[in-house]
Amino acid sequence: DAGVIQSPRHEVTEMGQEVTLRCKPISGHDYLFWYRQTMMRGLELLIYFNNNVPIDDSGMPEDRFSAKMPNASFSTLKIQPSEPRDSAVYFCASSLTSGVSDTQYFGPGTRLTVL
Amino acid sequence: AQSVAQPEDQVNVAEGNPLTVKCTYSVSGNPYLFWYVQYPNRGLQFLLKYITGDNLVKGSYGFEAEFNKSQTSFHLKKPSALVSDSALYFCAVMDTGRRALTFGSGTRLQVQP
Repeated sequence: DAGVIQSPRHEVTEMGQEVTLRCKPISGHDYLFWYRQTMMRGLELLIYFNNNVPIDDSGMPEDRFSAKMPNASFSTLKIQPSEPRDSAVYFCASSLTSGVSDTQYFGPGTRLTVL
Repeated sequence: AQSVAQPEDQVNVAEGNPLTVKCTYSVSGNPYLFWYVQYPNRGLQFLLKYITGDNLVKGSYGFEAEFNKSQTSFHLKKPSALVSDSALYFCAVMDTGRRALTFGSGTRLQVQP
């Protein structure tokens, strides 16, 4: 299995621009998670989906952030407009339902720099 | 609210020596605990997890972790460290209500040759 795939791996953009991050979960996994990693806040959950439906978006910082999962093999995280404080590494993870002890498998991350 | 604490920002150990990376947790209910490792410019890799049962959990790359309920700890261990083990290690607890992992701040392990 190829694991969780994220693109792009690096993104540099200017403040005010729209940014779209992409994720392909492991085939057959029915949970998908978006996390953000920063020096100040560490790793924090932004949103997660179950069977393509958003379940908990309480970690999404503000309305500039949106996430979609149009099908079981693809999800996007969009920031519009982007701001320098959005600079971080964004991780996608997926898991297979087996209960609350599900192991989440992480992608390599997208390093976003907003100038 | 569930939380984990990793009291050491960095752990230094000589190659061949045993290593321990510490983690303590605070949960209401049963703890579901995880260890992940992050190499530079890479994602998090799953090492092991504790769900129930045996207090000593064995995982990938020769790592193991000891669950101690009375001390609310879940320390990561390895009998003999390798230089290639140098990385950032995260302890995490599953928030069963939100189905999300709450991570500790991470511990950087440096293994010297």
